[in-house]
Amino acid sequence: QKEVEQDPGPLSVPEGAIVSLNCTYSNSAFQYFMWYRQYSRKGPELLMYTYSSGNKEDGRFTAQVDKSSKYISLFIRDSQPSDSATYLCATQQGAQKLVFGQGTRLTINP
Amino acid sequence: GAVVSQHPSRVICKSGTSVKIECRSLDFQATTMFWYRQFPKQSLMLMATSNEGSKATYEQGVEKDKFLINHASLTLSTLTVTSAHPEDSSFYICSPQSGNTIYFGEGSWLTVV
Repeated sequence: QKEVEQDPGPLSVPEGAIVSLNCTYSNSAFQYFMWYRQYSRKGPELLMYTYSSGNKEDGRFTAQVDKSSKYISLFIRDSQPSDSATYLCATQQGAQKLVFGQGTRLTINP
Repeated sequence: GAVVSQHPSRVICKSGTSVKIECRSLDFQATTMFWYRQFPKQSLMLMATSNEGSKATYEQGVEKDKFLINHASLTLSTLTVTSAHPEDSSFYICSPQSGNTIYFGEGSWLTVV
């Protein structure tokens, strides 16, 4: 079993739709949860960083963590074509290495 | 924001030759450097972790003699792919860490022909 499971997609939605991206993890020791966006042939960029269970909002993006069920989500409201990218969830225990999900390829259709 | 410079962004080399990829943290000191490899449509796979002045720790299945990592200073780390083969063609990404913050380079596309 992978430490972090993420549906690779691809996921295709119309512009303006609400997008829900999800990951599950197996190690209850993971403390930090991140979402990265990666455009084609580019390095990942950090979108959201959360520590505790609950929601964290930043503009059109909301990250949600449920430690009891080991489930993390990223919601994108009013999705735009420029949001088309691969989204990677990642977890971290302390200052140790990141553990990434497989990444979900998202396409927003105009 | 923190700046990470990774070069070259793209490189094509002949099979059997060696290629060096540089990663510089321009405005912070990277106490730890992670090197990742990413094949098309796949996630980032950690290759090795290095701390400044120490030997790198390689993940299982990664050949330390093939992927040479040097982390001689807090602002520079290099990954050298030795005796490259076509199966080494991939996207290589450095990831310097400063404190609890992890950054990523823009990646280097390696094509071995």
